[in-house]
Parts: sequence; C-alpha cells; structure tokens
Amino acid sequence: GAGVSQSPSNKVTEKGKDVELRCDPISGHTALYWYRQSLGQGLEFLIYFQGNSAPDKSGLPSDRFSAERTGGSVSTLTIQRTQQEDSAVYLCASSLVSGDTEAFFGQGTRLTVV
Amino acid sequence: AQSVSQHNHHVILSEAASLELGCNYSYGGTVNLFWYVQYPGQHLQLLLKYFSGDPLVKGIKGFEAEFIKSKFSFNLRKPSVQWSDTAEYFCAVKTGGFKTIFGAGTRLFVKA
Repeated sequence: GAGVSQSPSNKVTEKGKDVELRCDPISGHTALYWYRQSLGQGLEFLIYFQGNSAPDKSGLPSDRFSAERTGGSVSTLTIQRTQQEDSAVYLCASSLVSGDTEAFFGQGTRLTVV
Repeated sequence: AQSVSQHNHHVILSEAASLELGCNYSYGGTVNLFWYVQYPGQHLQLLLKYFSGDPLVKGIKGFEAEFIKSKFSFNLRKPSVQWSDTAEYFCAVKTGGFKTIFGAGTRLFVKA
C-alpha cells in the first residue's frame, strides 16, 4: 500500500479483555516496529521484526504482550488481560533494512482500557 | 542498553525566536541519527537524518542538526521559528542492528 496502515484506529475495551491490533506495512519493507506512545513517555520501543530473523522482543513490558508477523508482511500485536495502564497509542512503523533509511509510521491505534 | 535523551520536554517560544533542542544518545558503535516531527493530529514524519559525511545536515522547513560524535549529540536547530512549527519533536538513533530507539520527545509551542 501507499503507507503504513493500522487498524482499528480507536479501541475501547474492558479491563481483563484481550485485544488485537493490526499493522499493514509498506510493501517491500522488511523491517517492522511496534512502539507505544503515552503522554509524557515519548515513544517506547516494544518489538522489532527484521526479515526472517528472530524478532527483538526486548521492549515488551510483560508477558501479556505478544506480536507476530505473518509472511513477512502483516503484523498483529496482542495484549492479553488488558489493564488500565495499557491505555496508550500503539504505533507501527516499517522501513527498509539499511542503516540510513527512516521509519514510516502509521496513524496509530488509540487503546483505552476502561 | 542504548538510550536517547532529550533535555527539554516542553519549550515555548515566540515567533522569530531561535530554536535549539538537545539530543544525546548512549551507544558506542556506528549510529544513524534522525529527527522526527509530529504535528497535531498527524503521523510522525521525518524531519532530517544523518548517516555519514558532513555532520551538519539540513532538513525540511529550515531545520538543521549537527552531529558531534565526541559529545554523542545531535541537536536540532532553526534560526527563526514560525507558529506552524508547533509540534512534538523526537530524536532517534538507529544502531548497527537497525533497531531504532526514540527519545521522550519535546513539545514545542510557538506563540503567534
């Protein structure tokens, strides 16, 4: 597609429910990132997929968070048993895998846990 | 672990004032450096980037940044800000493994 697409754009869920957030990267971009943007916290790195390599999961805040990338394209971020502190904007970005190329961001999914 | 520090979380300036936003990173290897901007209600987008060569790089809308390797810094500057520069600015570092780490962001408000 022309840009990084994320869905849904907004999600309100009850505490304790599971949610799935989807990201469609730019075609041909083999690197895919998930970040969390909270007020005053900047962009918190969550997970990084690079081609067929094992993902870098070092930023996932707890074992309730997981992500997968199927076929090297679409990615899904899953949050199980959501908590109120999970409320944030979840951003996906993709890029070519080289040092000097920038990341292209989606519009984000605003998650609200009530 | 690598990290990025942005010194100012909120900056308020009047139009025509000069801007400098600080960014320092901690990583000993080769890095590529970026500044991204997020205008109200819009996506994050690239402002400028450095990967090699002249350490003074110029980006869109009159912004520039200087890479000082000895200080692990990549400060963003603009000689004269406009009201339309009101946005949040993020410094980012891409390391050898190509993982990109962002700073906490600086919210700039320019008074008309």
